[in-house]
Amino acid sequence: GENVEQHPSTLSVQEGDSAVIKCTYSDSASNYFPWYKQELGKRPQLIIDIRSNVGEKKDQRIAVTLNKTAKHFSLHITETQPEDSAVYFCAPTRTSGTYKYIFGTGTRLKVLA
Amino acid sequence: DVKVTQSSRYLVKRTGEKVFLECVQDMDHENMFWYRQDPGLGLRLIYFSYDVKMKEKGDIPEGYSVSREKKERFSLILESASTNQTSMYLCASNPLSGGNQPQHFGDGTRLSIL
Repeated sequence: GENVEQHPSTLSVQEGDSAVIKCTYSDSASNYFPWYKQELGKRPQLIIDIRSNVGEKKDQRIAVTLNKTAKHFSLHITETQPEDSAVYFCAPTRTSGTYKYIFGTGTRLKVLA
Repeated sequence: DVKVTQSSRYLVKRTGEKVFLECVQDMDHENMFWYRQDPGLGLRLIYFSYDVKMKEKGDIPEGYSVSREKKERFSLILESASTNQTSMYLCASNPLSGGNQPQHFGDGTRLSIL
């Protein structure tokens, strides 16, 4: 079956430092690459996404980079703040054929003040 | 703004009971999903539906069934609850062109089976 892996599973950074989370997938037909953030006790919410015709997308302190050849994409958070502490999930998806909705197992980010 | 509403935040049931979890969305989305979230395992898809009365099995459908009689409502049914179904259940929705659209989640139902 298709496989999605996230690394690391936990990440602690000092406030102001950068954080990078990597998502590796096996389905070569994937062409939509979202990242979701889930704060403690709350629902997962989309924070950024990228489609396969683009290699990088940035939104203020958050960016996503995509390497389709190597089948991985990464979430980059710069100038981290305590409110960035959460669990982050990737969910690479194909946009045609049989949909596969597979989420990564999550990365718990702790930003230390 | 899309709103996905799950009927209960917390639910406690006994083994062997038939349990219904309800989800309603207000954005006329064709796709609706039920996930189960467990520590270290992420979100695992139980079932999804792309239209009224249509359903597709996800990765872990055993012990569950679903019902979609109206476009806005998607129900998850535990036919005979067991303790290993104690978990957080999340409902989500997105438009028919779902492969390249984000999913919108409800707040979740934390279900305990005693």
